[in-house]
Amino acid sequence: EVQLLESGGGLVQPGGSVRLACAASGFTFSSYAVTWVRQAPGKGLEWVSSIGGSGSTTRYADSVKGRFTISRDNSKNTLNLQMNSLRAEDTAVYYCAKGVTKWLQPPDHFDYWGQGTLVTVSS
Amino acid sequence: QSVLTQPPSASGTPGQRVTISCSGSSSNIGSNTVNWYQHLPGAAPKLLIYSNNLRPSGVPDRFSGSKSGTSASLAISGLQSEDDSDYYCAAWDDSLNGPLFGGGTKLTVL
Repeated sequence: EVQLLESGGGLVQPGGSVRLACAASGFTFSSYAVTWVRQAPGKGLEWVSSIGGSGSTTRYADSVKGRFTISRDNSKNTLNLQMNSLRAEDTAVYYCAKGVTKWLQPPDHFDYWGQGTLVTVSS
Repeated sequence: QSVLTQPPSASGTPGQRVTISCSGSSSNIGSNTVNWYQHLPGAAPKLLIYSNNLRPSGVPDRFSGSKSGTSASLAISGLQSEDDSDYYCAAWDDSLNGPLFGGGTKLTVL
């Protein structure tokens, strides 16, 4: 059974940092791209960042480029998101989602999602 | 960041058929396939439709998807109380170089 379990969320001050993790199980982790998607309070889903199966290819939404860094450890089946210079508008539930190919290219969709971890940026 | 355009709300009574629209542009729906997700607040989003009209294993055939030009639709027939949820369309966007989501539609089963 495929499982994705996010952790690391919490309350952080504006300008601060936090590191999210997503523990994956039930599939060959290195064979698939994985992605972070967030949902701000009362808002819709927003793509944040994706990483290819080998970890050599990454992509970011403009809203987080230069502040967030996505990485993966295929030996530990773990996806990470280092979030720096946090702003109030980064407050959201962050979900990790599994792609269906190793590469970051269309056509693609997310066949499994975690339940999310809440990051609140506030003083 | 632009989003795909969905109606914010939709409703129907049990047994009815409802459709949810999703409007995009040539850089997303017009040139890539559309996926639909069901999301109950507090739960993990669930893939409902992929590649415009394909259902993952376990998704009832009451759910169907279609695409024409730069628009797509999700249809739910034989509406059931458990369909009361949020629904999001998504498509790869060539300008964004990543997936683009719709704003979401809250479906209420009356």
